[in-house]
Amino acid sequence: AQTVTQSQPEMSVQEAETVTLSCTYDTSENNYYLFWYKQPPSRQMILVIRQEAYKQQNATENRFSVNFQKAAKSFSLKISDSQLGDTAMYFCAFIYNNNDMRFGAGTRLTVKP
Amino acid sequence: GAGVSQSPSNKVTEKGKDVELRCDPISGHTALYWYRQSLGQGLEFLIYFQGNSAPDKSGLPSDRFSAERTGGSVSTLTIQRTQQEDSAVYLCASSLGTGWIGELFFGEGSRLTVL
Repeated sequence: AQTVTQSQPEMSVQEAETVTLSCTYDTSENNYYLFWYKQPPSRQMILVIRQEAYKQQNATENRFSVNFQKAAKSFSLKISDSQLGDTAMYFCAFIYNNNDMRFGAGTRLTVKP
Repeated sequence: GAGVSQSPSNKVTEKGKDVELRCDPISGHTALYWYRQSLGQGLEFLIYFQGNSAPDKSGLPSDRFSAERTGGSVSTLTIQRTQQEDSAVYLCASSLGTGWIGELFFGEGSRLTVL
């Protein structure tokens, strides 16, 4: 079975600082995709960043970057220059060839002014 | 439509009643997913459709839950004889599906409250 674990239920960061959210996963598959989704209070899930497992280079999207360690099955999200609008629930997710996407329990991030 | 549309946005019902939740995916998306999110919790997988068939129904919590998809488009999630523990936000998502692995596009969810 594929599982996704987020061990940090809640985190906080001061505005303009950097924060890292952790995610580990368990799979026997070799080709898969990993995602970070953001869910603000509006409930709409928004894709933050994605990583293909066959790519060694870590994905980056503006202030968001990942540290993908395939051997360790770790996929952490780094948010640089945190903004108040980054306050949300963040979910790590995993999908492989059957299109079955599974999510972690989420990390509630609060950015403090 | 431009995005995944879910209705109703909010539903309050009495224990024991049946409810239907509707999801209209992005046009052309063949894969459709239902998840349940209890207050402040993560996403619990319920069911996944590829076209009109459901390869994986393993997440449906009980036989009171059922889902169907017709015409490879709209899906309905039906909960019979609702219980208070069914109260949650039900999220629907769609993706391009077969031969493509990637981003799911989510609707805004249907919040169900069972009194």
